[in-house]
This record gives sequence, C-alpha cells and structure tokens, in this order.
Amino acid sequence: AQSVTQLDSQVPVFEEAPVELRCNYSSSVSVYLFWYVQYPNQGLQLLLKYLSGSTLVKGINGFEAEFNKSQTSFHLRKPSVHISDTAEYFCAVSDPGYSTLTFGKGTMLLVSP
Amino acid sequence: EAGVTQSPTHLIKTRGQQATLRCSPISGHTSVYWYQQALGLGLQFLLWYDEGEERNRGNFPPRFSGRQFPNYSSELNVNALELEDSALYLCASSSPGQGPQETQYFGPGTRLLVL
Repeated sequence: AQSVTQLDSQVPVFEEAPVELRCNYSSSVSVYLFWYVQYPNQGLQLLLKYLSGSTLVKGINGFEAEFNKSQTSFHLRKPSVHISDTAEYFCAVSDPGYSTLTFGKGTMLLVSP
Repeated sequence: EAGVTQSPTHLIKTRGQQATLRCSPISGHTSVYWYQQALGLGLQFLLWYDEGEERNRGNFPPRFSGRQFPNYSSELNVNALELEDSALYLCASSSPGQGPQETQYFGPGTRLLVL
C-alpha cells in the first residue's frame, strides 16, 4: 500500500522569501508523483507531476519539485513567494498499476506581507 | 473549454437520509473519480469510473455507491447518512490514455452537511 506524508501542516512565510514544502512517500513499486494546490473554496489544480526522466520538475506559477528516489521524497520549492500563493498544497502518489491518487494531508502555505 | 462541474454546490441532509451528488467531466474525458475531503482526514479516494464501469473503490462502506452514465457524467449516492459523512466531495476527470499518467482535473466540489 502507498502512503504520503507531508511533514508540515502549516508553513508561514513572508512575501518574497523562498519556501520548501516537504513530501515523503512510501511505496513498494515505482510511482508517479504529483503536487496539487487548492485555493480557498475551490477545487484542486495541478501544479506539476513527475512521471519519469529528469528528477527536477518545473510547474506552473514558478514552482518546482525534485524527485529523490533514495530518500523517497518529492519536495516542492519556490524561490520567491507571493501573497497569492497562500493556499493548501497537496502531494499525491499514483501507482502505475492504478489511476487513483493517494494524497497527503496537505500543507497550508501562509504568505504574509 | 468548460471544466469539471459538480452539483449541487451545497447540500444539507439529516442523519439517515440519502444524498445524490452529480458530476460532469470535461468534454472528451472518460474517467471520473470521486474523493472525500473531510476535516482532519485529508483527501481520500472513493470511487473510479471509466467507460461506464467501476474500476476501483476506496476503503468506504457499501452505502457509498455511484454510477457513470453513457455521456460519462457520474452520480455519487450516499445512503443512510451519518454525521461523519459531512465533507467536501470532489469529482475529477481525466482523458483516456495512459491511465495514471493522465492529469486529473478537479471540480469545485459539493459540500455535504449532515445534521
């Protein structure tokens, strides 16, 4: 069975500062990895995904993530955050044998001026 | 292009009643997924439909059921509602193709409140 751990439930940060949201997964098979963002009162939007190839994945809104197989991690980073990045971020894993996603519990990114 | 739509946006029921939630996928998408987002529990996979068939089911009791219609829209039914069924129910769709590699596009959700 797969599982996803998002180590921080909340990450407060000042505007224009860098941020890293941590995600670790466990799986007995190779996986596909995703980061989604949920703005208040909205559904989820895909930020980026890792399927194969380069371990550094670039997504929308200036976010990027690095897949580290040895550490079973897929941390999300942004070099300079904006107030508008305030949202909840979800890491998810998909077993190549199935189309369903297993999500972490989410990290709330709080950006203040 | 219209996104995934869900109805109703809010639903209030009492314990023991039944709830029906609806989802229309993006045009051309054949797979529909249902997730429950309950406070403190995060997002949990409920059901996956593809080409009218149930392909996978999460760890939920049988009173959670659904179906997919020939036009690929989907319905989630929750029978014998319990207080802990109060949650945001999210529907997602994906295009036919390579299965788990396909991006799932989410709707805005239906917020169910059970009193």
